[in-house]
Amino acid sequence: QKEVEQDPGPLSVPEGAIVSLNCTYSNSAFQYFMWYRQYSRKGPELLMYTYSSGNKEDGRFTAQVDKSSKYISLFIRDSQPSDSATYLCAMTGSSNTGKLIFGQGTTLQVKP
Amino acid sequence: NAGVTQTPKFQVLKTGQSMTLQCAQDMNHNSMYWYRQDPGMGLRLIYYSASEGTTDKGEVPNGYNVSRLNKREFSLRLESAAPSQTSVYFCAHAPGSKTEAFFGQGTRLTVV
Repeated sequence: QKEVEQDPGPLSVPEGAIVSLNCTYSNSAFQYFMWYRQYSRKGPELLMYTYSSGNKEDGRFTAQVDKSSKYISLFIRDSQPSDSATYLCAMTGSSNTGKLIFGQGTTLQVKP
Repeated sequence: NAGVTQTPKFQVLKTGQSMTLQCAQDMNHNSMYWYRQDPGMGLRLIYYSASEGTTDKGEVPNGYNVSRLNKREFSLRLESAAPSQTSVYFCAHAPGSKTEAFFGQGTRLTVV
């Protein structure tokens, strides 16, 4: 069993929809949680960074962490075609927060 | 480019050949990382360097060596390439502990 599980999709939604992306994990030591966006043939780009449990909002993006359930989510409001990409969750229990365990990534397509 | 330059961008090797992937960051960050990304596998950490002069193994180090030449540069060497090393390789860097990591654009390597 992988330490981080993420449904690879693909997920297809109409423009303007609310998108929910999720990851589950098994290691209770994880305390730093990140979401990266990766466009085709590009490097991962950091979207959200959260420490421990709780919510964090940045524009149309909201990240949620529920450590009791070992479950993290990324919500995208008013989704746009430019949001079409692969979304990767990543996490670590180490203060060396570049040592990340990644999910497989979920491919999202937002249709105009 | 998130302050990191990877060279080359593309490479085709024959089995048994050697090569070095180069990574340089211009943000004076302490920590640097090498990841590989394979279809359906997310990103996996190969090696990392928490500071100049130190290197440590990540999740999948076999078949690779690294050198932290100075604070800017972190290279990844394949001594005898194998088809299983066909992948996209990403270099990343981070300022220090408890901070987000920034990824380069990747090197696409094919071993035939």
